[in-house]
Amino acid sequence: DTGVSQNPRHKITKRGQNVTFRCDPISEHNRLYWYRQTLGQGPEFLTYFQNEAQLEKSRLLSDRFSAERPKGSFSTLEIQRTEQGDSAMYLCASSPPVAGSNEQFFGPGTRLTVL
Amino acid sequence: QKEVEQDPGPLSVPEGAIVSLNCTYSNSAFQYFMWYRQYSRKGPELLMYTYSSGNKEDGRFTAQVDKSSKYISLFIRDSQPSDSATYLCAMSERGSGTYKYIFGTGTRLKVLA
Repeated sequence: DTGVSQNPRHKITKRGQNVTFRCDPISEHNRLYWYRQTLGQGPEFLTYFQNEAQLEKSRLLSDRFSAERPKGSFSTLEIQRTEQGDSAMYLCASSPPVAGSNEQFFGPGTRLTVL
Repeated sequence: QKEVEQDPGPLSVPEGAIVSLNCTYSNSAFQYFMWYRQYSRKGPELLMYTYSSGNKEDGRFTAQVDKSSKYISLFIRDSQPSDSATYLCAMSERGSGTYKYIFGTGTRLKVLA
């Protein structure tokens, strides 16, 4: 399968714990996005990488959130000191290096439940 | 007011019906318009991707963009029970640097056999 993959698919944690999610984009896609989706809502943009550079962060991304893409391939999203309000689906998307195009292909998501 | 407005539904139609799904938006800088299908507890799947105004057809799906009215539509012909899902519209600006998407809330569609 050459689509975007995310791991784990589900994560249940207790409030106050740290969690880390991984996203592997489609091969040769240099743009990578993280979104968060809560029940009954559309995805909301969190952050964007072009290669290894993090070029934009939403104000939704509090200082408890950090994202990395160290070698311009896979990315990780870490949430420190989780809160119940962090419960959501975390989606990763990637986009190819085509000028003027931004088709984004999404992974299956990581569903986080904070107890 | 949200940048992108979408009726959450649910919308129930009989099998074989033509389905019309719509979004309105307020940001005149939006140039890219997308439709995604999302099954329960799955990631969004890209259905249609259009730039600027006009129509685009792909199989049973037709996307329309009317920038003068700030209104986009997705039509599904000969709807099937397997089309039952949530349909999300998404938009982004050209030249914003990130091309981040702004999504609607999604419309839940149920096609009855």
